[in-house]
Amino acid sequence: EVQLVESGGGLVKPGGSLRLSCAGSGFTFSSSSFNWVRQAPGKGLEWVSSISGSSTYVYYTDSVKGRFTISRDNAKNSLYLQMNSLRAEDTAVYYCARDYFYYDWGQGTLVTVSS
Amino acid sequence: QSVLTQPPSASGTPGQRVTIACSGSSSNIGSNTVNWYQQLPGTAPKLLIYSDDRRPSGVPDRFSGSRSGTSASLAISGLQSEDEADYHCSAWDDSLKGWVFGGGTKLTVL
Repeated sequence: EVQLVESGGGLVKPGGSLRLSCAGSGFTFSSSSFNWVRQAPGKGLEWVSSISGSSTYVYYTDSVKGRFTISRDNAKNSLYLQMNSLRAEDTAVYYCARDYFYYDWGQGTLVTVSS
Repeated sequence: QSVLTQPPSASGTPGQRVTIACSGSSSNIGSNTVNWYQQLPGTAPKLLIYSDDRRPSGVPDRFSGSRSGTSASLAISGLQSEDEADYHCSAWDDSLKGWVFGGGTKLTVL
């Protein structure tokens, strides 16, 4: 059974940093691409970032470029999102999703940016 | 403001057929396939339709998708109470070089 489990969310002050993790199991992690998607309270889904299986290709939405970094450790079956210079508008539930079509999703982790 | 446009709400009675539209532009729906996700209350999204009209295993054939020009639609036939959820469309955008989503449509089963 495919499982994706996010962790690392929490309350952080504006300008602060957080590192989200997504642990995968039940599939061949290294051959899967991944995506981070966020959902602000009461809002729709917003794509944040994507990474290919070998990390050759990474993409970011404009609003997080220069502040967020996506990475992966295939030996640990883990995906990461380093988030720096956090703003109030980054407050959301962050989901990791597997493969080009977002075939599998984790349960999400809540990030709250507030003073 | 989402790049893809969906109606904020839709409704139907049990057994009815409902459709949800998703409108985009030449750089996204006009040149790339569309995916649909179902998000039940308080849960993570789930892939419902991919590549315009393909269903992952386990998704009932009551759900179908189509794309024409710069628009796409999701149809649900034989509506059931458990279909009450938010539905989101998505496509790759060649100009933005990223994925774009619609704002989501809240489906109510009356």
